[in-house]
Amino acid sequence: NAGVTQTPKFQVLKTGQSMTLQCAQDMNHNSMYWYRQDPGMGLRLIYYSASEGTTDKGEVPNGYNVSRLNKREFSLRLESAAPSQTSVYFCASSEESPWRAYNEQFFGPGTRLTVL
Amino acid sequence: GQQLNQSPQSMFIQEGEDVSMNCTSSSIFNTWLWYKQDPGEGPVLLIALYKAGELTSNGRLTAQFGITRKDSFLNISASIPSDVGIYFCAGQLFFNAGGTSYGKLTFGQGTILTVHP
Repeated sequence: NAGVTQTPKFQVLKTGQSMTLQCAQDMNHNSMYWYRQDPGMGLRLIYYSASEGTTDKGEVPNGYNVSRLNKREFSLRLESAAPSQTSVYFCASSEESPWRAYNEQFFGPGTRLTVL
Repeated sequence: GQQLNQSPQSMFIQEGEDVSMNCTSSSIFNTWLWYKQDPGEGPVLLIALYKAGELTSNGRLTAQFGITRKDSFLNISASIPSDVGIYFCAGQLFFNAGGTSYGKLTFGQGTILTVHP
């Protein structure tokens, strides 16, 4: 069980370039999430997918697009990278259930992105 | 949107000391969670609290869910070097869709903990 995996681990882009961050989970979870982490700001939700075939905007979606390719994979795309998108990006997944008092999100190791 | 204020922003302590950090919110959450992030890794869940007033322990960790559902604290007793990392509080709100309950997290800014041997 690898849990949540992310590729690449590091990436440097020039302003205006595009790229896709990949995320996969092997826990058969329905829900997947993309966050960005910036110093002093915690983790902020970019997009989430409650189930295969659905995606919704989070707190900071501007400049990003997502694709829920199948139940395992959830990708994040930057169409035209900007220096303000320099950040650490985390993917997470969780199993939603009406029987649990809380839904634990499991995080990947992160992608460190620098936009010059 | 909801805002969580976590304090302190950073702590520098000696091994063996106790640590306390807290989070406050302007609005109510169903659940409070505490995560730890080791350097270069993603956050990992430490403790989950889902009853107002609840006090929960996990080894050297103790956390409480405030009675107003707007705050929580985390205590670490007898700190050790491997406690180093960033600690995040997170509030979880549930919404229902198609008969299933979904929980979105709002994170605090994090507390950076440094433990000197």
